[in-house]
Amino acid sequence: DQQVKQNSPSLSVQEGRISILNCDYTNSMFDYFLWYKKYPAEGPTFLISISSIKDKNEDGRFTVFLNKSAKHLSLHIVPSQPGDSAVYFCAASAGNSGYALNFGKGTSLLVTP
Amino acid sequence: EAQVTQNPRYLITVTGKKLTVTCSQNMNHEYMSWYRQDPGLGLRQIYYSMNVEVTDKGDVPEGYKVSRKEKRNFPLILESPSPNQTSLYFCASSRPVWLAGTDTQYFGPGTRLTVL
Repeated sequence: DQQVKQNSPSLSVQEGRISILNCDYTNSMFDYFLWYKKYPAEGPTFLISISSIKDKNEDGRFTVFLNKSAKHLSLHIVPSQPGDSAVYFCAASAGNSGYALNFGKGTSLLVTP
Repeated sequence: EAQVTQNPRYLITVTGKKLTVTCSQNMNHEYMSWYRQDPGLGLRQIYYSMNVEVTDKGDVPEGYKVSRKEKRNFPLILESPSPNQTSLYFCASSRPVWLAGTDTQYFGPGTRLTVL
Protein backbone atom coordinates (compact mmCIF):
# COMPACT_ATOMS: atom_id res chain seq x y z
CA ASP A 1 0.00 0.00 0.00
CA GLN A 2 1.57 3.23 -1.19
CA GLN A 3 1.85 5.61 1.75
CA VAL A 4 3.41 8.39 -0.29
CA LYS A 5 1.65 9.29 -3.50
CA GLN A 6 2.70 11.40 -6.42
CA ASN A 7 -0.32 11.37 -8.66
CA SER A 8 1.21 13.20 -11.60
CA PRO A 9 3.65 10.96 -13.47
CA SER A 10 4.83 13.84 -15.60
CA LEU A 11 4.80 17.62 -15.82
CA SER A 12 5.91 19.97 -18.59
CA VAL A 13 6.72 23.62 -17.86
CA GLN A 14 8.21 26.44 -19.87
CA GLU A 15 11.58 27.83 -18.87
CA GLY A 16 11.20 30.76 -16.47
CA ARG A 17 7.80 29.66 -15.21
CA ILE A 18 6.97 28.03 -11.89
CA SER A 19 7.00 24.24 -11.55
CA ILE A 20 4.77 22.80 -8.84
CA LEU A 21 5.17 19.15 -7.93
CA ASN A 22 2.68 17.63 -5.55
CA CYS A 23 2.84 14.82 -3.04
CA ASP A 24 0.25 13.32 -0.69
CA TYR A 25 0.77 10.93 2.19
CA THR A 26 -1.48 8.73 4.24
CA ASN A 27 0.56 7.90 7.34
CA SER A 28 -0.02 10.49 10.05
CA MET A 29 3.14 9.28 11.80
CA PHE A 30 5.35 10.74 9.09
CA ASP A 31 7.22 13.70 10.50
CA TYR A 32 10.01 14.34 8.03
CA PHE A 33 9.65 14.88 4.31
CA LEU A 34 12.25 15.08 1.58
CA TRP A 35 12.48 15.70 -2.12
CA TYR A 36 15.03 13.91 -4.24
CA LYS A 37 15.98 14.66 -7.82
CA LYS A 38 17.12 11.95 -10.20
CA TYR A 39 18.79 12.23 -13.57
CA PRO A 40 19.00 9.22 -15.91
CA ALA A 41 21.87 6.84 -15.12
CA GLU A 42 22.48 8.48 -11.73
CA GLY A 43 21.34 7.84 -8.18
CA PRO A 44 18.79 10.14 -6.53
CA THR A 45 20.28 13.25 -4.96
CA PHE A 46 18.85 15.10 -2.02
CA LEU A 47 17.19 18.38 -2.91
CA ILE A 48 15.32 19.82 0.05
CA SER A 49 13.54 18.64 3.18
CA ILE A 50 11.04 19.83 5.74
CA SER A 51 10.21 18.80 9.26
CA SER A 52 6.62 18.50 10.37
CA ILE A 53 7.10 21.36 12.81
CA LYS A 54 7.42 23.73 9.86
CA ASP A 55 5.11 24.57 7.01
CA LYS A 56 7.65 26.01 4.62
CA ASN A 57 11.31 25.60 3.80
CA GLU A 58 13.16 27.55 1.15
CA ASP A 59 16.50 26.97 -0.53
CA GLY A 60 17.26 29.21 -3.46
CA ARG A 61 14.84 28.50 -6.27
CA PHE A 62 13.30 25.58 -4.39
CA THR A 63 10.57 25.86 -1.77
CA VAL A 64 8.72 23.04 -0.09
CA PHE A 65 5.34 23.64 1.51
CA LEU A 66 3.76 21.28 4.00
CA ASN A 67 0.06 21.16 4.85
CA LYS A 68 -0.21 18.65 7.69
CA SER A 69 -3.98 18.80 8.00
CA ALA A 70 -4.33 17.86 4.33
CA LYS A 71 -1.36 15.48 4.44
CA HIS A 72 -0.01 17.24 1.41
CA LEU A 73 3.28 18.75 0.41
CA SER A 74 4.45 20.49 -2.68
CA LEU A 75 7.74 21.50 -4.24
CA HIS A 76 7.89 24.83 -6.05
CA ILE A 77 10.71 25.62 -8.45
CA VAL A 78 10.93 29.28 -9.45
CA PRO A 79 12.10 30.07 -12.04
CA SER A 80 12.30 26.71 -13.77
CA GLN A 81 15.38 25.99 -15.84
CA PRO A 82 16.04 23.31 -18.49
CA GLY A 83 18.59 21.73 -16.14
CA ASP A 84 15.76 21.06 -13.70
CA SER A 85 14.39 18.42 -16.09
CA ALA A 86 14.58 15.22 -14.06
CA VAL A 87 12.46 12.80 -12.07
CA TYR A 88 11.51 14.14 -8.65
CA PHE A 89 10.76 11.78 -5.80
CA CYS A 90 8.89 12.73 -2.67
CA ALA A 91 9.87 10.74 0.44
CA ALA A 92 8.75 10.58 4.05
CA SER A 93 9.91 9.03 7.28
CA ALA A 94 8.39 8.48 10.71
CA GLY A 95 9.91 8.85 14.13
CA ASN A 96 13.23 10.17 12.87
CA SER A 97 14.08 6.69 11.63
CA GLY A 98 16.82 7.91 9.32
CA TYR A 99 16.97 4.58 7.57
CA ALA A 100 13.50 3.84 6.26
CA LEU A 101 12.28 6.30 3.69
CA ASN A 102 8.95 5.78 1.99
CA PHE A 103 9.14 7.03 -1.57
CA GLY A 104 6.49 8.12 -4.02
CA LYS A 105 6.55 6.86 -7.60
CA GLY A 106 8.12 10.03 -8.90
CA THR A 107 7.15 12.86 -11.21
CA SER A 108 9.08 13.43 -14.41
CA LEU A 109 9.57 17.17 -14.94
CA LEU A 110 10.40 18.55 -18.37
CA VAL A 111 11.37 22.19 -18.62
CA THR A 112 11.22 23.41 -22.19
CA PRO A 113 13.16 26.40 -23.51
CA GLU B 1 35.19 12.80 -2.04
CA ALA B 2 32.23 11.60 0.01
CA GLN B 3 30.41 8.96 -1.95
CA VAL B 4 28.53 5.71 -2.14
CA THR B 5 29.88 3.29 -4.72
CA GLN B 6 28.22 0.25 -6.23
CA ASN B 7 29.61 -2.53 -8.38
CA PRO B 8 28.89 -3.66 -10.96
CA ARG B 9 26.97 -0.84 -12.61
CA TYR B 10 25.45 -3.19 -15.17
CA LEU B 11 24.93 -6.93 -14.98
CA ILE B 12 23.20 -9.46 -17.19
CA THR B 13 22.85 -12.91 -15.73
CA VAL B 14 20.74 -16.04 -16.00
CA THR B 15 18.11 -17.47 -13.70
CA GLY B 16 19.54 -19.26 -10.70
CA LYS B 17 23.13 -18.05 -10.92
CA LYS B 18 24.09 -16.52 -7.58
CA LEU B 19 25.32 -12.94 -7.68
CA THR B 20 26.44 -10.20 -5.33
CA VAL B 21 26.17 -6.47 -5.81
CA THR B 22 28.63 -4.60 -3.65
CA CYS B 23 28.05 -1.27 -1.93
CA SER B 24 30.60 0.80 -0.09
CA GLN B 25 30.45 4.25 1.56
CA ASN B 26 33.31 6.38 2.80
CA MET B 27 31.30 8.72 5.06
CA ASN B 28 31.37 6.51 8.18
CA HIS B 29 27.57 6.33 8.06
CA GLU B 30 25.79 4.04 10.46
CA TYR B 31 22.75 3.40 8.31
CA MET B 32 22.74 1.68 4.93
CA SER B 33 19.87 0.55 2.71
CA TRP B 34 19.11 -1.17 -0.55
CA TYR B 35 16.30 -0.03 -2.83
CA ARG B 36 14.98 -1.20 -6.15
CA GLN B 37 13.39 1.07 -8.70
CA ASP B 38 10.81 -0.28 -11.12
CA PRO B 39 8.69 1.57 -13.68
CA GLY B 40 5.48 2.82 -12.13
CA LEU B 41 6.50 1.67 -8.64
CA GLY B 42 9.11 4.21 -7.61
CA LEU B 43 11.78 3.27 -5.08
CA ARG B 44 11.06 0.41 -2.71
CA GLN B 45 13.29 -0.56 0.19
CA ILE B 46 14.64 -4.12 0.15
CA TYR B 47 16.76 -4.28 3.29
CA TYR B 48 18.36 -1.84 5.67
CA SER B 49 21.08 -1.92 8.28
CA MET B 50 21.36 0.29 11.33
CA ASN B 51 24.93 -0.73 12.07
CA VAL B 52 27.43 -3.58 11.84
CA GLU B 53 25.70 -6.94 12.21
CA VAL B 54 22.28 -5.25 12.48
CA THR B 55 20.05 -5.74 9.46
CA ASP B 56 16.31 -5.88 8.88
CA LYS B 57 13.81 -6.38 6.10
CA GLY B 58 12.34 -3.51 4.17
CA ASP B 59 9.20 -3.62 2.04
CA VAL B 60 10.32 -6.15 -0.60
CA PRO B 61 12.94 -8.50 0.92
CA GLU B 62 11.92 -11.75 -0.77
CA GLY B 63 14.71 -13.31 -2.81
CA TYR B 64 17.44 -11.13 -1.33
CA LYS B 65 20.03 -11.41 1.41
CA VAL B 66 22.35 -8.83 2.92
CA SER B 67 25.21 -8.74 5.35
CA ARG B 68 26.94 -5.96 7.27
CA LYS B 69 30.26 -7.25 8.54
CA GLU B 70 31.99 -3.90 8.20
CA LYS B 71 30.56 -0.44 8.64
CA ARG B 72 31.47 0.74 5.16
CA ASN B 73 30.16 -2.25 3.16
CA PHE B 74 26.65 -3.56 2.61
CA PRO B 75 26.50 -6.19 -0.14
CA LEU B 76 23.24 -7.35 -1.68
CA ILE B 77 23.10 -11.07 -2.43
CA LEU B 78 20.75 -12.81 -4.82
CA GLU B 79 21.13 -16.52 -4.11
CA SER B 80 18.95 -17.66 -7.00
CA PRO B 81 18.01 -14.71 -9.20
CA SER B 82 14.75 -14.79 -11.13
CA PRO B 83 13.51 -12.60 -14.00
CA ASN B 84 11.22 -10.63 -11.66
CA GLN B 85 14.37 -9.33 -9.97
CA THR B 86 15.32 -7.51 -13.14
CA SER B 87 15.46 -3.95 -11.88
CA LEU B 88 17.55 -0.90 -11.09
CA TYR B 89 19.13 -1.19 -7.65
CA PHE B 90 20.33 1.62 -5.43
CA CYS B 91 22.37 1.52 -2.28
CA ALA B 92 22.08 4.40 0.18
CA SER B 93 23.71 5.47 3.42
CA SER B 94 22.92 7.97 6.15
CA ARG B 95 23.54 8.91 9.74
CA PRO B 96 21.02 8.73 12.60
CA VAL B 97 18.94 11.89 12.73
CA TRP B 98 20.08 12.65 16.26
CA LEU B 99 23.65 12.76 14.94
CA ALA B 100 23.13 14.34 11.55
CA GLY B 101 20.12 16.50 12.29
CA THR B 102 18.52 15.27 9.08
CA ASP B 103 17.06 12.14 7.53
CA THR B 104 18.95 12.69 4.28
CA GLN B 105 20.14 9.54 2.58
CA TYR B 106 23.00 9.52 0.09
CA PHE B 107 22.55 7.26 -2.89
CA GLY B 108 24.96 5.32 -5.05
CA PRO B 109 24.83 5.55 -8.86
CA GLY B 110 22.73 2.41 -9.29
CA THR B 111 23.17 -1.12 -10.64
CA ARG B 112 21.06 -2.19 -13.58
CA LEU B 113 20.43 -5.92 -13.30
CA THR B 114 18.87 -8.07 -15.99
CA VAL B 115 18.00 -11.68 -15.19
CA LEU B 116 17.29 -13.81 -18.26
